[in-house]
Amino acid sequence: EAQVTQNPRYLITVTGKKLTVTCSQNMNHEYMSWYRQDPGLGLRQIYYSMNVEVTDKGDVPEGYKVSRKEKRNFPLILESPSPNQTSLYFCASSHLTSGIGGTGELFFGEGSRLTVL
Amino acid sequence: ELKVEQNPLFLSMQEGKNYTIYCNYSTTSDRLYWYRQDPGKSLESLFVLLSNGAVKQEGRLMASLDTKARLSTLHITAAVHDLSATYFCAVDPAGGTSYGKLTFGQGTILTVHP
Repeated sequence: EAQVTQNPRYLITVTGKKLTVTCSQNMNHEYMSWYRQDPGLGLRQIYYSMNVEVTDKGDVPEGYKVSRKEKRNFPLILESPSPNQTSLYFCASSHLTSGIGGTGELFFGEGSRLTVL
Repeated sequence: ELKVEQNPLFLSMQEGKNYTIYCNYSTTSDRLYWYRQDPGKSLESLFVLLSNGAVKQEGRLMASLDTKARLSTLHITAAVHDLSATYFCAVDPAGGTSYGKLTFGQGTILTVHP
């Protein structure tokens, strides 16, 4: 089954304790991205990656890091979490070109609800 | 900078009625996507519109794209409670055979009541 898998789904942590949210996709997508969703602010992009070893900042990258060492994985790292990073996080992926049947349609993971105390 | 604006942001509908959600965007694009999100859940792809004049229908929902007006509409016919959700449109400004970064609208919270 084609899917984007995030872990953990729920996490409560304390300020300053480093954490990683993993994201894996099994659709051989080139493009992967992280979003955060907060009430009244919609979906905001944190980082994205066009392919292995190619990452770039989105709209709200402060306080986050990413890496793309393998095509299928795109972990989101919070080196020193703060309460303002309490949010619902989504990983998403898509094909980048129409040549391989892609449409640019994003496929989303189930979300990771993070609370930083 | 690409801006994507949805209207209305909140929509309370009676079952059986029709209504339209509008998605306006600020730059040239012929690629637009609609997603649905239930509370606390992930985003589910509804429609992919990849050309001017594209129209897609699924059940009580129909989406269309007018690239000249930079406008997409999501029309709801004879609403039922199960359609209650948040609906997002998203635009890709890239051209040619490559896709790019999607910019999302704010979302429209739809509530259907008896």
